[in-house]
Amino acid sequence: EVQLVQSGAEVKKPGESLKISCKGSGYDFSTYWITWVRQVPGKGLEWMGVIFPGDSDTRYSPSFQGHLSMSVDKSTNTAYLQWSSLKASDTAMYYCARHLAVAGYNHYVFNIWGQGTMVTVSS
Amino acid sequence: EIVLTQSPGTLSLSPGERATLSCRASQSVSRNYLGWYQQKPGQAPRLLIYAASTRATGIPDRFSGSGSGTDFTLTINRLESEDSAVYYCQQYGGFPRTFGQGTRVEIK
Repeated sequence: EVQLVQSGAEVKKPGESLKISCKGSGYDFSTYWITWVRQVPGKGLEWMGVIFPGDSDTRYSPSFQGHLSMSVDKSTNTAYLQWSSLKASDTAMYYCARHLAVAGYNHYVFNIWGQGTMVTVSS
Repeated sequence: EIVLTQSPGTLSLSPGERATLSCRASQSVSRNYLGWYQQKPGQAPRLLIYAASTRATGIPDRFSGSGSGTDFTLTINRLESEDSAVYYCQQYGGFPRTFGQGTRVEIK
């Protein structure tokens, strides 16, 4: 079964660092881009950026560039989202997702999603 | 950046009726690379449609997508209570990928 399993909920203080994870299984992890999506409670979906595990090529949304970083560890089929200094406004659910491949063609919509990691930043 | 504007904000319909959801792009979406998702409370989004009109695996044929260029539509025929959710469009014709703000469908 193809799946993405994310790390558990986190409660942090402003200014603290954090790294959350997304572990893929059931497919060739190196050949599918991993996307991160933010959802502030009660709000919509926001595309944050994407990373290709094969070579760590990364594209960030301008809205998020500079405030966080994405990385992968191919040896463990795990993608990471990291902050060096959290803000209260980072409080949200974070999803990782994998794009759809059909008949050898890639569509960059997301048919495989992790269960989400809730990050709460509060003093 | 392509901005996607969804309308209406909320639809309130009865079982058996048809829902028509709109997604308008600020510029033409390359190759009509637009998808639709359904999200229920406490769940991750579920892909319904990709490439504007192709249903994803396992999606009932009550769901259909149409449109091109800057105007796209998701139609849900014969509404059922389980269709109560928020629906999002997403374009993947350019970077950054972007989502619409969502349309809430309520079943009376």
